[in-house]
Amino acid sequence: GAGVSQSPRYKVAKRGQDVALRCDPISGHVSLFWYQQALGQGPEFLTYFQNEAQLDKSGLPSDRFFAERPEGSVSTLKIQRTQQEDSAVYLCASSLEGSYSNQPQHFGDGTRLSIL
Amino acid sequence: DAKTTQPPSMDCAEGRAANLPCNHSTISGNEYVYWYRQIHSQGPQYIIHGLKNNETNEMASLIITEDRKSSTLILPHATLRDTAVYYCIVRPSGTYKYIFGTGTRLKVLA
Repeated sequence: GAGVSQSPRYKVAKRGQDVALRCDPISGHVSLFWYQQALGQGPEFLTYFQNEAQLDKSGLPSDRFFAERPEGSVSTLKIQRTQQEDSAVYLCASSLEGSYSNQPQHFGDGTRLSIL
Repeated sequence: DAKTTQPPSMDCAEGRAANLPCNHSTISGNEYVYWYRQIHSQGPQYIIHGLKNNETNEMASLIITEDRKSSTLILPHATLRDTAVYYCIVRPSGTYKYIFGTGTRLKVLA
C-alpha cells in the first residue's frame, strides 16, 4: 500500500521567503509527526497531531514555524521569513493509533530545504 | 536526551549475521524498544519493535535481555543493501515523540 508521501522532495528558497511543505500520511492513520533532520544528525521532533488536534508543538524552534492538519489527514508545515539555519530535511511520519500507542511511526522520504 | 547508546560504526561481511547492540539502562517497564534504519536520502525505515519478549519478522530479529537494559538487532544474512545508519529508540513514557540518538553506521562489505 501507499506510504507517507511528502512534497516537494527538494525546495530551494531565498532567505526571507515563506515556504510550505506538504505531508500525505498513510490513509486512516490518526497520528502525524513532523521532524527536522540536520546534516549528519538524527531527526529531531517538531510537532505532533492526533487527527486535527495539535497536541504537542514543543519542538518548533521559533514562532516562524507553523503546522496544521485541518481535516485530520493532509498536513502542512509552514516556515515564514526563512533563515539559513532552517536548511535541513523535514520528515513527516504517521502511525495508526493516537495517544501513547506503541504502534510504530512510518516515515516519508522528507523534503530537503535549502535556504540561500 | 536519547535514552539509548549505540556504537558509532560497525562493519559486517556480506552474507554474515550483523549484530547491532543497544544499551537502554534507564528503560521503564512499559517502554518499547524500536529499531529503524536510514539509507542515504531516504526517511527512516521501520524494522521491528518489542517490549520484553524476543521478536522476529521478515527483516530482522530483536533480542531483549531479561533485565531489559539492552537489546540486539540481528540481520541474519547481511547484504550490501543493508548498509545504513541504524537507530535504536526508546520512546519516553508519557510522550508521543521519538528521540533519536546518533545511531550505528553499519557498512556491509563485499
